[in-house]
Amino acid sequence: EVQLVESGGGLVQPGGSLRLSCAASGFTFSYYSMNWVRQAPGKGLEWISYISSGSNTIYYADSVKDRFTISRDNAKNSLYLQMNSLRVEDTAVYYCARLAYRGDFDYWGQGTLVTVSS
Amino acid sequence: DIVMTQSPDSLAVSLGERATINCKSSQSVLYSSNNKNYLDWYQQKPGQPPKLLIYWASSRESGVPDRFSASGSGTDFTLTISSLQAEDVAVYYCQQYYSTPYTFGQGTKLEIK
Repeated sequence: EVQLVESGGGLVQPGGSLRLSCAASGFTFSYYSMNWVRQAPGKGLEWISYISSGSNTIYYADSVKDRFTISRDNAKNSLYLQMNSLRVEDTAVYYCARLAYRGDFDYWGQGTLVTVSS
Repeated sequence: DIVMTQSPDSLAVSLGERATINCKSSQSVLYSSNNKNYLDWYQQKPGQPPKLLIYWASSRESGVPDRFSASGSGTDFTLTISSLQAEDVAVYYCQQYYSTPYTFGQGTKLEIK
């Protein structure tokens, strides 16, 4: 069974940093590209970052570019999101999502809540 | 960036009736090399992550009930629930994966009338 489990969320002050993790199981992690998607409270979905299976290709949404860094460790079946210079508007549930070979996001984690507040 | 616009923002339908949600993209998401529309539909229930319903604009994901269907090509797409069940109450999102940034529609909240 495919499982994605996010962790690392919490309360952080504006300007602070946080590192999210996504532990994958039930599939060959190194074969799949992965994404981070976030959802602010009561709002819609926002894609924020993509990483290819071998980390060769990385994309970011403009809203997080130069502040967030996506990475992965295929030996540990883990995906990461380093978030720096956090802003109040970064408050959201952060999901990791697997990119199917077809291009859609076929599996999602349960999400981890990041709250940026003083 | 490709802008995805859904209509309506909310919808109330009686149990057993048909529900229809529309999605329009600001540019075509039809990939000419394989004639596939890079458009999918997700269902999100409160407190849960999104769940993939439809990929390639009209292909139903494994395990999704056949009362869910979708159609469209290019820039205009539709998700239809043929006979609404109580468990279909959710927010529905379309998403394009034709190009980054991958973008979602604003969501359509489906309720029981």
